[in-house]
Parts: sequence; structure tokens; C-alpha cells
Amino acid sequence: KQEVTQIPAALSVPEGENLVLNCSFTDSAIYNLQWFRQDPGKGLTSLLLIQSSQREQTSGRLNASLDKSSGRSTLYIAASQPGDSATYLCAVSGRGSTLGRLYFGRGTQLTVWP
Amino acid sequence: ETGVTQSPTHLIKTRGQQVTLRCSSQSGHNTVSWYQQALGQGPQFIFQYYREEENGRGNFPPRFSGLQFPNYSSELNVNALELDDSALYLCASSLAGNGANVLTFGAGSRLTVL
Repeated sequence: KQEVTQIPAALSVPEGENLVLNCSFTDSAIYNLQWFRQDPGKGLTSLLLIQSSQREQTSGRLNASLDKSSGRSTLYIAASQPGDSATYLCAVSGRGSTLGRLYFGRGTQLTVWP
Repeated sequence: ETGVTQSPTHLIKTRGQQVTLRCSSQSGHNTVSWYQQALGQGPQFIFQYYREEENGRGNFPPRFSGLQFPNYSSELNVNALELDDSALYLCASSLAGNGANVLTFGAGSRLTVL
């Protein structure tokens, strides 16, 4: 069974810092990996999606990397802003019959203070 | 292009009651997945519907059931509600066979069971 772990569980930083959020998964047979943002009590917003054949994806101040063989991904946030405060969730998609099913970590709760 | 819409946004039920949650998928999507997110946890996969049939199920008892309609909208039904069913229920739609497996999530339905 796929298990996804995110470290740290919570992070509080001053504005302007560069951040690294970590995600690990136990089964490397994934279809893709996604990073989501979730604001309190809200749904999920997709930030970045990395296909299993890719190594990284970038969007603005966000960069996500994937090392499938070691079962790890990192989300790098450059020059953090208070508006980045949210919970960040990592999810992997399985292959075969589980395609379409996402396995989520518990998330990293990020607070960026001015 | 409309996104995924869910209703109701909030509801309160008592133990033993039944609840129906509704989801309208994004235009052009033909697959709907349902997730349960308990407080402080990552979303857990309940089941997925494709062509009006269940296409994969997570570790949830039979009192969790669903439907998909010809217009690809979907319902999640939960019978004999328990206190632990209190959670945010998320619906996600996608287009099967597009190769990218990108899910679009709704804002969720917050269920409280007293």
C-alpha cells in the first residue's frame, strides 16, 4: 500500500525566506506526483504536477522536483510572502487499476509572517 | 469553462441519519472521484465513477455509496452516519484517457455528525 509522508508538519517563517517542503512515498511505481495548496476549510488548488518521467516543474516562485527511485519530492518556495500561508499537500497517483486514485500526505501547514 | 461545484457547503446531521452530497463535474470531464478529509489529515480516497459505474474503491464500508449520472455529475450517499464521518468531503473530476490524470477539486462539503 502506498504511504505518503510530509515533513515538516508545520513551518513558521518570516516573509522573504526561501523554503523547502519535503514529501516521501513508499512505492516508486507512480504515474505522477502533484503538489496542492489548501486554504483553511477550503478545497484543493493544484500547484504543480510532475509526470513520472519528469524531474521537475516550475511555476513562478514554485519549483517541484521528483526523484522517483528514492521516493522523494521537494517543493521549493522562493521569497515567501504572507499570502503563501496555507497547507501544502503532496499526492501521488498510482498505476494500473489505481490510476486516478491519489494518495495524499497529511500536509505541511505553512505560516509566513510579515 | 466551469469548475467543480459541490453542494451543500455545510450540513449538520445526527448519528444514524443518512446524507446525500452532490457534485457537478468540470465541463468536458467524464470521471468523478470522492475523497474524505478528516480534520488535520490528508484526503482519503473513497471511490471513483466512470461511465456511471464504480471504478475503484478505497477502504470505506458499504454504507458509503455513490452514483454518477449521464451528465457526469455525481452523488455520494452515506447511511447510518457515525461521529467519525464528520469531515470535509471533496469531489474531483477528471478526463479519463487524457494521459495526464489531472484532477480538478471542488471546494468541498463540510459534514458534522452530532
